[in-house]
Amino acid sequence: QKEVEQNSGPLSVPEGAIASLNCTYSDRGSQSFFWYRQYSGKSPELIMFIYSNGDKEDGRFTAQLNKASQYVSLLIRDSQPSDSATYLCAVPPSGYSTLTFGKGTMLLVSP
Amino acid sequence: GAVVSQHPSRVICKSGTSVKIECRSLDFQATTMFWYRQFPKQSLMLMATSNEGSKATYEQGVEKDKFLINHASLTLSTLTVTSAHPEDSSFYICSASPNRDAGFYEQYFGPGTRLTVT
Repeated sequence: QKEVEQNSGPLSVPEGAIASLNCTYSDRGSQSFFWYRQYSGKSPELIMFIYSNGDKEDGRFTAQLNKASQYVSLLIRDSQPSDSATYLCAVPPSGYSTLTFGKGTMLLVSP
Repeated sequence: GAVVSQHPSRVICKSGTSVKIECRSLDFQATTMFWYRQFPKQSLMLMATSNEGSKATYEQGVEKDKFLINHASLTLSTLTVTSAHPEDSSFYICSASPNRDAGFYEQYFGPGTRLTVT
């Protein structure tokens, strides 16, 4: 069973701070990694993906990947109350086109 | 780009009836579409993978005769919940994956369908 682990939270940060969300995965053969944001009662929205070791930046979001440690993270700079949501890490098992989702980390950004 | 629509957004039906949910990729072709179910405060559960022109692949524990999936074109997949019961009440979400090279498996989600069976 390929697993994707996330801390369920909630992670509480004040407005303007950096929120750091972490994810570990068990399948060493996984090649791509995705972060989704899901607001309560809504469907997930793709916000970042990363394939190579290192950092990938997109606006206020930075994804970090360390394949040796089987660890992927998402940093949100200048956090806003509108960033309050559940963040899902998703990894396709090697050889499959499906995604294995973590249970998600709830982020709460207080004004 | 990468917009997926889903219809209806909300449906209430009586126990024993069937409900059809449509999922469309609006601006890309999707060889593969996926159907998920999500109960309140729980994570996404993959129900089945739908491939255009072939039979769907169901996850363990999902009844293929109860949840009928048809992927008739590269932009449309349907999920029919047959003989619905109150325990089938849930948030059903589809996603679509653009045709890309192997290893690029991002999925774009539809807005979801909230099914309530009375």
